[in-house]
Amino acid sequence: DGGITQSPKYLFRKEGQNVTLSCEQNLNHDAMYWYRQDPGQGLRLIYYSQIVNDFQKGDIAEGYSVSREKKESFPLTVTSAQKNPTAFYLCASSIGDTSTDTQYFGPGTRLTVL
Amino acid sequence: EDKVVQSPLSLVVHEGDTVTLNCSYEVTNFRSLLWYKQEKKAPTFLFMLTSSGIEKKSGRLSSILDKKELFSILNITATQTGDSAIYLCAVVSSYQLIWGAGTKLIIKP
Repeated sequence: DGGITQSPKYLFRKEGQNVTLSCEQNLNHDAMYWYRQDPGQGLRLIYYSQIVNDFQKGDIAEGYSVSREKKESFPLTVTSAQKNPTAFYLCASSIGDTSTDTQYFGPGTRLTVL
Repeated sequence: EDKVVQSPLSLVVHEGDTVTLNCSYEVTNFRSLLWYKQEKKAPTFLFMLTSSGIEKKSGRLSSILDKKELFSILNITATQTGDSAIYLCAVVSSYQLIWGAGTKLIIKP
């Protein structure tokens, strides 16, 4: 089956710890994205990558880091510098990065900081 | 298997027309249904629906949920060229967020 997988579904971490969220796609898409969703709010873009070994900051990149070493993988690290990391994190991918390219979303990871 | 199906996949209308976008779902442990508008990189949140029969409105956009028949519609009246976008529907269950494929809406002047 083609699609986007994110793991884990639920993640708990202690304050001060870094944690990495996984995102893998087998759709052969060039572009990948990370979003954050808070209760009652829309998606906010954290980072995006248009091509392997390249990525750009989104609207709320502070406290996060990413890498794009392989086309199919775009892991997100939530660092201890992120002041309010408890949220729902969504990964997405698209064929290209133009506004008309549909983004396909993974099922998400819910991160809770204890 | 949980799924969310949007129709039509694409739609072309003229400015001033009214459009209705559909989202049907089969999901265990339904919690809410979300509508988004995607123009650029980050989809814009439109509505969250949790109760049947209660219409939500925002300007020319409105949406309603039918939990008995398992669908939602998004209406846009007096369409403008700025309404051109991909409209995404997603359903939240206890365990996951399931996205529809989206409806690409093009408004011609």
